[in-house]
Formats: sequence, structure tokens, C-alpha cells
Amino acid sequence: DAGVIQSPRHEVTEMGQEVTLRCKPISGHNSLFWYRQTMMRGLELLIYFNNNVPIDDSGMPEDRFSAKMPNASFSTLKIQPSEPRDSAVYFCASGRWEPQHFGDGTRLSIL
Amino acid sequence: GESVGLHLPTLSVQEGDNSIINCAYSNSASDYFIWYKQESGKGPQFIIDIRSNMDKRQGQRVTVLLNKTVKHLSLQIAATRPGDSAVYFCAEKPGADGLTFGKGTHLIIQP
Repeated sequence: DAGVIQSPRHEVTEMGQEVTLRCKPISGHNSLFWYRQTMMRGLELLIYFNNNVPIDDSGMPEDRFSAKMPNASFSTLKIQPSEPRDSAVYFCASGRWEPQHFGDGTRLSIL
Repeated sequence: GESVGLHLPTLSVQEGDNSIINCAYSNSASDYFIWYKQESGKGPQFIIDIRSNMDKRQGQRVTVLLNKTVKHLSLQIAATRPGDSAVYFCAEKPGADGLTFGKGTHLIIQP
């Protein structure tokens, strides 16, 4: 079975540019989560959706970050404008009840 | 000044021995707990979970123990193999919220 699919796997861009990360959850899962992993702060929940509706975005660091889930099979996390401190690995996870299943992440480097 | 990242505790175990990884959680309202394994360059991979109405759950070569009195969780891996080398994270979940992850433990299996 296909797991959670994230793209791109790696992204390197200059500060000030817009960055869009993409996620395809596992079919049939009704919850989708975006996490960020850094050496300084570990794994942090940014936002999660239930049935395509954002439930809790209290982890989103600031207004430069936005996330959408237009349908059950696709979500995006956008950073505009990007800053060097946004460099991290961004993970998407999906689940139907428990447990959550993670993708392999997008490694983002902002120069 | 120099930035300091997370210094993960490291557990080194001889191949074939049993290992125990410990985790303290913070939220007394958490009713679901989960262990993930993360290998380099990959997303967290589900190992085993437990609900707060249980104090022990066994899987294949793994056992999770939950002590709600002292808010402690442990993961026991029996007969460790080289492929068990990874970073292990515990996570807690109060109700319908997203997961809150611990800082992780780096398990090294010595040949």
C-alpha cells in the first residue's frame, strides 16, 4: 500500500521566496497533520485537519505560514516569504483514529 | 553565541541483548501514547501504542509499559538487531489533539 507521499523531498531556495510543500495522505485517512523537525526544537505539530477542515493551527509559527487541504487526497503547506530560520524537515502524517503514519518529509533549506 | 541543538540521550546495547528506552510525559490529561522509530533520512515509523486504560502492551519483540502515577513510559526491545539502531521517540496525545513528541533517544546496537 502507498504510504504518505510528500514532495519535494528536498528544497533549497533563497530567503524571500515562496515555498510550497505538498502532501498526499493515505487513502481513507480522515486526519492530516503537518509537523516540523529541527535540531533545536525536535518534532513540533504545526497544524492538523480533520475531514479537510483545519482544527488546530496554534503551532503555526507566524502569518508567513499557511496550510490548505482542498480535498481528502491533497494538502499544502506554504511559507511566504521564507526565512533562513524556516530551514527544517517538514513532515506530513495522516491517520484514521490512531496511529498516525508519517511521510519521509521535505528537507527545506533557506539560504 | 554558539547555538546549541538537542543533545539526544544515547543508549548503546550489544546485539542480542534487550534494551529499555524510557520517557517521561508531561500532560496528565494524555490518554494515548505511542512510540516511533526514526531512521536517518526517513519519517517516524510507528512501533507500538497504548491507551491510558492499560499499563502494558506487547508486540513482536517490543513491549510498552505505562505508569500513569509517575507519568512514565518505557519501550522494551527484546533480542536487539543491527536494524534496531535508530532514534526512538515517545509521544503523548490528550484527547483529539495532535501528538506531542519527546526529545528522542538514540539507540545504537553494537555488533
